[in-house]
Amino acid sequence: KAGVTQTPRYLIKTRGQQVTLSCSPISGHRSVSWYQQTPGQGLQFLFEYFSETQRNKGNFPGRFSGRQFSNSRSEMNVSTLELGDSALYLCASSLIHSYEQYFGPGTRLTVT
Amino acid sequence: GENVEQHPSTLSVQEGDSAVIKCTYSDSASNYFPWYKQELGKRPQLIIDIRSNVGEKKDQRIAVTLNKTAKHFSLHITETQPEDSAVYFCAAWRDFGNEKLTFGTGTRLTIIP
Repeated sequence: KAGVTQTPRYLIKTRGQQVTLSCSPISGHRSVSWYQQTPGQGLQFLFEYFSETQRNKGNFPGRFSGRQFSNSRSEMNVSTLELGDSALYLCASSLIHSYEQYFGPGTRLTVT
Repeated sequence: GENVEQHPSTLSVQEGDSAVIKCTYSDSASNYFPWYKQELGKRPQLIIDIRSNVGEKKDQRIAVTLNKTAKHFSLHITETQPEDSAVYFCAAWRDFGNEKLTFGTGTRLTIIP
């Protein structure tokens, strides 16, 4: 089985712009979670989607949003980018009723 | 919400020796505790996990122990090898309300040949 894929892998944006990141889960996985990884804050949960519905949300401002499509692929969007949004954004997929999460390679976002 | 503390933040051990990383959690309702290994520039990979109804789990050179009463769990790596060098993250998950993984801050393990 192919693993979790994320596109793009690298992105450079300017403050004030917006960005959309994409995640394709492992085939058959219907839950997708997003995490932000920074050297200072570690891995922080952004949100989780299942069956096109957001089930859980972390403590991030409303500039961070996401969605999931009927094929379980997910996107996250960050609007009005700030320098502090520079991070590695990871998505992870899992089977329903399974705790095990499998991570994608991440998208490294740099905001200048 | 859940808070997971992880110690130490860095750990260096001689090749062949054992390494132990410890985590504590705050939410007594947490019931699943995975450990992830992240090599430089790579994705986190699940290496072992334990559920709250189990006290210890072993997989070859890796073991995890859980003390529910004290709310702490530990990763033990025996006979360390250079390829064990990586950042290790512990995490905690609770069911029934705001299910999500809360991660520790990571331990950078360096194996000295």
